[in-house]
Amino acid sequence: AQRVTQPEKLLSVFKGAPVELKCNYSYSGSPELFWYVQYSRQRLQLLLRHISRESIKGFTADLNKGETSFHLKKPFAQEEDSAMYYCALSGDTGGFKTIFGAGTRLFVKA
Amino acid sequence: DSGVTQTPKHLITATGQRVTLRCSPRSGDLSVYWYQQSLDQGLQFLIQYYNGEERAKGNILERFSAQQFPDLHSELNLSSLELGDSALYFCASNGATGELFFGEGSRLTVL
Repeated sequence: AQRVTQPEKLLSVFKGAPVELKCNYSYSGSPELFWYVQYSRQRLQLLLRHISRESIKGFTADLNKGETSFHLKKPFAQEEDSAMYYCALSGDTGGFKTIFGAGTRLFVKA
Repeated sequence: DSGVTQTPKHLITATGQRVTLRCSPRSGDLSVYWYQQSLDQGLQFLIQYYNGEERAKGNILERFSAQQFPDLHSELNLSSLELGDSALYFCASNGATGELFFGEGSRLTVL
């Protein structure tokens, strides 16, 4: 069965500290993995996707198929990074649906 | 606005009632996804439509139903409402890249 697990509901770090938001997935085929972000009073929006392999707002995420993980990392957290982060998986098994993890709230303290 | 639009933004109703949430996808997008977001459940996938046809189904209750019309807008019908149905309901559409574009959501409060 498809599943996305984000083990941390809340992550609190100091400004300038490294941050890693964990995401593990379960999927039988070849998934597409995404990170979505929801800033306060804004819509949920795409942050990055594993296919593009790009760095957005200093965040990167590497797909590790061996560990079935797609952790989101940033070397130096900023206060404006405070938001809700969702890891998502999309695939063509069982329908072309995208499922999300439970989300991790990142709080960056000054 | 060519983005995903949802109405109503807020809705308060009583248990046992029925409500309809409406969504218009981005211009040109054929898919519509519905998600339920509650405090302790995160984003739960409910159902997906593509060009008028149901494409995938998630954890959608039998009391809930949806459809996508020829003009591609979609409606999510929630009936026999219970307190636990109180949540934020999101609609999203996607284009060829697979990225989902979300609406602002409809906040349902069941009293």
